[in-house]
Amino acid sequence: ETGVTQSPTHLIKTRGQQVTLRCSSQSGHNTVSWYQQALGQGPQFIFQYYREEENGRGNFPPRFSGLQFPNYSSELNVNALELDDSALYLCASSLVAGGNYEQYFGPGTRLTVT
Amino acid sequence: QKEVEQDPGPLSVPEGAIVSLNCTYSNSAFQYFMWYRQYSRKGPELLMYTYSSGNKEDGRFTAQVDKSSKYISLFIRDSQPSDSATYLCAIGDYKLSFGAGTTVTVRA
Repeated sequence: ETGVTQSPTHLIKTRGQQVTLRCSSQSGHNTVSWYQQALGQGPQFIFQYYREEENGRGNFPPRFSGLQFPNYSSELNVNALELDDSALYLCASSLVAGGNYEQYFGPGTRLTVT
Repeated sequence: QKEVEQDPGPLSVPEGAIVSLNCTYSNSAFQYFMWYRQYSRKGPELLMYTYSSGNKEDGRFTAQVDKSSKYISLFIRDSQPSDSATYLCAIGDYKLSFGAGTTVTVRA
């Protein structure tokens, strides 16, 4: 069984730039969620994708957008980067079935905005 | 008021001690309760997943949920230095609300 993978591991961008982060879900899972974790804080829910559509969104502006592909992998795009976007971005996959909400996280992408 | 409150610690205990971690939450509609372990610069690892009030045990780990008090706990028995990590409580369903995490150090 393959776990959740994310790429790249680290990324440094300049304020105003755009970034794309990638996630491959765990084998057999059909749902991907994205979280932002600032240093010393718990993860904050950005949004979830199920069947290639957004299935819920947290308190993040529209410049945070995403995609889910037919193979259940996903991308997180952030436009017009701000300094406060510096964080660990986590992808979590799950199998939405029968009320099971267990989410399994990848190692994360550490984004630094300068 | 945050949806989930968790004492950030840090918590330092000797090897073999019982580690006790707690969270409180505000939304009584929450139905699913999880504990994650996160090592430095790694992704969170799911430790325990519970649905109802009561206890759930898995090896050295016991999760407790008290829905009437909106209070959840994680106990780690016979703690080991390898248990040194940040422990995050998470509550919700498709959208998880996390506590800030408690940093635990187990001293050999």
